[in-house]
Amino acid sequence: EAGVAQSPRYKIIEKRQSVAFWCNPISGHATLYWYQQILGQGPKLLIQFQNNGVVDDSQLPKDRFSAERLKGVDSTLKIQPAKLEDSAVYLCASSHGSDEQFFGPGTRLTVL
Amino acid sequence: DAKTTQPTSMDCAEGRAANLPCNHSTISGNEYVYWYRQIHSQGPQYIIHGLKNNETNEMASLIITEDRKSSTLILPHATLRDTAVYYCIVRVARNNNDMRFGAGTRLTVKP
Repeated sequence: EAGVAQSPRYKIIEKRQSVAFWCNPISGHATLYWYQQILGQGPKLLIQFQNNGVVDDSQLPKDRFSAERLKGVDSTLKIQPAKLEDSAVYLCASSHGSDEQFFGPGTRLTVL
Repeated sequence: DAKTTQPTSMDCAEGRAANLPCNHSTISGNEYVYWYRQIHSQGPQYIIHGLKNNETNEMASLIITEDRKSSTLILPHATLRDTAVYYCIVRVARNNNDMRFGAGTRLTVKP
């Protein structure tokens, strides 16, 4: 079966610019997650969706980050405006219920 | 904060068993031990999980101590492709939002 797809794979922007990442989960997976992974650290959960509803966004910096999952399939994570400290890999994952999570390859963001 | 403690790095000779330890002394009775690994430039990959019994699958074995305060992930015959960061995570199985990754153990398999 196809895995979790993410695009773009790499993005370089100037600080204060905006950026958007796209994720297509595994077909049939109702739960979708966005993680931020800073270099040298483990992934940190930003937001979790169950279908098109938000389950947990407690660690999402809501003043600059937003995410949506229209129609309960694809999802978009946006940063506006970006800061230097947002440089990281943004990982999308999906799961079927409470089963293990399947991760995409990630988007590496560099903010200059 | 992560609920586990792992060594920062380990080396293993190719073909030998790799034994990766994890301490989780504050684990609750309903929390499972999960292991994921992350190969360079890829997303994390699920390996195995268990509650209190030892578990084995095609990738690895998981040994959990009787008091459940620590566990060991065993890769029986490590290959160069097993070089990765290995994460030990404790969580309640039905609460997917409780996946707290620490820094993990960087395993280097050497020829």
